[in-house]
Parts: sequence; structure tokens; C-alpha cells
Amino acid sequence: AQTVTQSQPEMSVQEAETVTLSCTYDTSESDYYLFWYKQPPSRQMILVIRQEAYKQQNATENRFSVNFQKAAKSFSLKISDSQLGDAAMYFCAYISGRNTDKLIFGTGTRLQVFP
Amino acid sequence: EPEVTQTPSHQVTQMGQEVILRCVPISNHLYFYWYRQILGQKVEFLVSFYNNEISEKSEIFDDQFSVERPDGSNFTLKIRSTKLEDSAMYFCASSAGEGQPQHFGDGTRLSIL
Repeated sequence: AQTVTQSQPEMSVQEAETVTLSCTYDTSESDYYLFWYKQPPSRQMILVIRQEAYKQQNATENRFSVNFQKAAKSFSLKISDSQLGDAAMYFCAYISGRNTDKLIFGTGTRLQVFP
Repeated sequence: EPEVTQTPSHQVTQMGQEVILRCVPISNHLYFYWYRQILGQKVEFLVSFYNNEISEKSEIFDDQFSVERPDGSNFTLKIRSTKLEDSAMYFCASSAGEGQPQHFGDGTRLSIL
């Protein structure tokens, strides 16, 4: 069974600085998708970024980028120029490419941003 | 930007009562999902729904749970006889296709007394 691990329960960053959130996953499949979701205190789940496993190029979305290391099964999220509004719970998630659309989530990393 | 909407935002129910959580997915999406998040824990998959039938369900989704798309816009989750452990945040999500990003609603906080 696939699993997603986020080993950092909490992280903090100074405003305008860069922070990297770690995520590793376990799968025997070669075709899958990876996501980062943000959950602010309002509790809404917001899609941050998506990566297809067959693409070697790392996904980028404005200040958010990923470092996807397929062989190492690692999918970290880098937030550049951190803003106060980035403070939230960040969840890494996995979807198999085989006949399932079930998102498997990690336990989350709480990011604090200090002015 | 189109979004998934969920009602109510908060539902308080007595144990043993039936509850229906409602969702309006994004209009051109074809895949619908329910997830739940017990306070302080990770988000867990409950069920996926496509072409008017359940395509996948988790072990959590037992006989007390059911889903329905009663019309062309709503997608509901029914819990027949609620238990204390059903207290959680319930998220509805929809996507345009397999592997496509799932867009979540704001959630319904369900409190069972």
C-alpha cells in the first residue's frame, strides 16, 4: 500500500525568507501524481502545486516550487519570499495512476511565518 | 473562479440521528469525492463517485454511509445513524478527470453529541 510521510510536524520561517517542506512516499508504481495542499486556519483545502511522475521537470507555481526526486521517492515543497499569508498546514498527497483517484495524504506540516 | 460549495458549514447532531451533508461540485467536473479529517489528524479518503455510481470506497465507508447525486448539481453524503466517532470535518471534492487536481470545498464540521 502506498504511504506518504511528512517528517516535520512544524516549521517556521521569517517573512521574505525561503523554506522547504519535506515529503517522502512509498510506492511500487511508476505512474502517479503528487500534490501539495495548503490548509489555512479557515480549514479550506487549497491546491498549491501538482507534479506528474512521468515528468522530470519540477513543477513551479509562482513562489512555490517542488524538488521531485523519483528514485529517492521524495517530493519537497520550496516556498520562496515567504509571506504572512503562507502560514498554514501543508499536506503532501499522492494519487496512483492506476484506476483510482483516492488521494493519500501525509500527516501535514504546520508552517509558521514570523514578521 | 468556479468552486466547490458545501452546506452547512457546521452541523450539530445527536448520536443516533441521521445527517445529510451537501455539496455542489464544480459544474463541468465528472468525479466527486468525500474525505474526512478528524481534529488534529490527517485527511482520509471516504468515497469516490463517477457516472452515478461509487467507483471506490475506503474501510471507513461502511453501511452507515451512503452517497447520492439526486439531481444534476448536488452531491450528498448521508450518515444513517451517527456515532460519536463520526465527529470530524467532512470535505467534498471534485475533479475533471482521473489524475486531475481535486478541488475541495470549505468543509462541513460535524459535531455529534
